Amino acid sequence: AQSVTQLGSHVSVSEGALVLLRCNYSSSVPPYLFWYVQYPNQGLQLLLKYTTGATLVKGINGFEAEFKKSETSFHLTKPSAHMSDAAEYFCAVSDHLTSGSARQLTFGSGTQLTVLP
Amino acid sequence: NAGVTQTPKFQVLKTGQSMTLQCAQDMNHEYMSWYRQDPGMGLRLIHYSVGAGITDQGEVPNGYNVSRSTTEDFPLRLLSAAPSQTSVYFCASRPPGARYGYTFGSGTRLTVV
Repeated sequence: AQSVTQLGSHVSVSEGALVLLRCNYSSSVPPYLFWYVQYPNQGLQLLLKYTTGATLVKGINGFEAEFKKSETSFHLTKPSAHMSDAAEYFCAVSDHLTSGSARQLTFGSGTQLTVLP
Repeated sequence: NAGVTQTPKFQVLKTGQSMTLQCAQDMNHEYMSWYRQDPGMGLRLIHYSVGAGITDQGEVPNGYNVSRSTTEDFPLRLLSAAPSQTSVYFCASRPPGARYGYTFGSGTRLTVV
């Protein structure tokens, strides 16, 4: 069965510093991987995704993530944090819940990012 | 283009009451799902549908029913609300092809007292 582990439920960085949010996954099939962002009292917005091809993927708002199959990781990074990046971030893997079923998303427990002035 | 619309945004129920959370999408997406979000647990899949007339259970289906009579609508029914169902509920949709990410609604915050 698929699973997602996000290391660190809370991460704090200073404005202008590197953002690194960690995600490790397990999947029974070649994974499709996603990062979503959730601002307070809002739904989830897709930041970026990996399906096939280039392992370094770029998303919105300057974020990027690298798929590393050997490490089963899909860490999210941004070179320079901005105050507006403060939000909760979710990593998700798309996999089959049961044999033959359609792929569905399994989410990690989330990382709350705080950006300090 | 409204995307995924959920109603109501907030709801308070008494234990044992029933209600339906509404979800509608205008993107002609075949796949729709319901998730619940609880602190520290991420989002967990309740039920999903791969097209009109086809539904299946997710990770936490107990206490919830769904139906899919049209492509656009995917209501979630709570048959007899319990305090453990206090949560934020999200509906999402996507086209066929798992490489597409889901588009999420803005959520329904449900409190069961």
